[in-house]
Amino acid sequence: DTGVSQDPRHKITKRGQNVTFRCDPISEHNRLYWYRQTLGQGPEFLTYFQNEAQLEKSRLLSDRFSAERPKGSFSTLEIQRTEQGDSAMYLCASSLGWGRSYEQYFGPGTRLTVT
Amino acid sequence: AQSVSQHNHHVILSEAASLELGCNYSYGGTVNLFWYVQYPGQHLQLLLKYFSGDPLVKGIKGFEAEFIKSKFSFNLRKPSVQWSDTAEYFCAVNTIKAAGNKLTFGGGTRVLVKP
Repeated sequence: DTGVSQDPRHKITKRGQNVTFRCDPISEHNRLYWYRQTLGQGPEFLTYFQNEAQLEKSRLLSDRFSAERPKGSFSTLEIQRTEQGDSAMYLCASSLGWGRSYEQYFGPGTRLTVT
Repeated sequence: AQSVSQHNHHVILSEAASLELGCNYSYGGTVNLFWYVQYPGQHLQLLLKYFSGDPLVKGIKGFEAEFIKSKFSFNLRKPSVQWSDTAEYFCAVNTIKAAGNKLTFGGGTRVLVKP
């Protein structure tokens, strides 16, 4: 399968713990996006990378959240000191470039439950 | 900033019925418009997209959407649904001016097709 992959698919953690998610984009895709989806809502943009550079962060991304894409390939999203409000599906998407013709391909998501 | 509204949260219909899902966006400039579908247990997938030109766009699996600029709408239609169209449907927009081409999604419409 050469699509976007995310690991883990499910994560249950206790409030206050740190968690890290990984996203592997489609090979050669230089754009990588993180979105968050809560129950009954559409995905909301969190941040995106152009190669290894993080170019924009949503105000939804508090100081407890950090994302990296160290070599311009896979990306990690870390949440420190998790809160119950962080429970959501975290989606990763990638695209070959930017502009009108480039579709974003989504991964299966990581479902986070904070107890 | 752009926003997207999907007025129907849940739709239930029988096979062979026609489907129309409403989508309205708010943004004063040029937008790109998308419909994504999420089948049970699967990734978000692109159904169709509109960038410019003919406002009637045809997508995969017999779906089509019409962009009506004066109404800020991009409604999705299918003349005759099948049980396999049971899914959640998301309307999304992005703009050339929005950094990174990030997508703004509506809240989604859950469609249940009864056999």
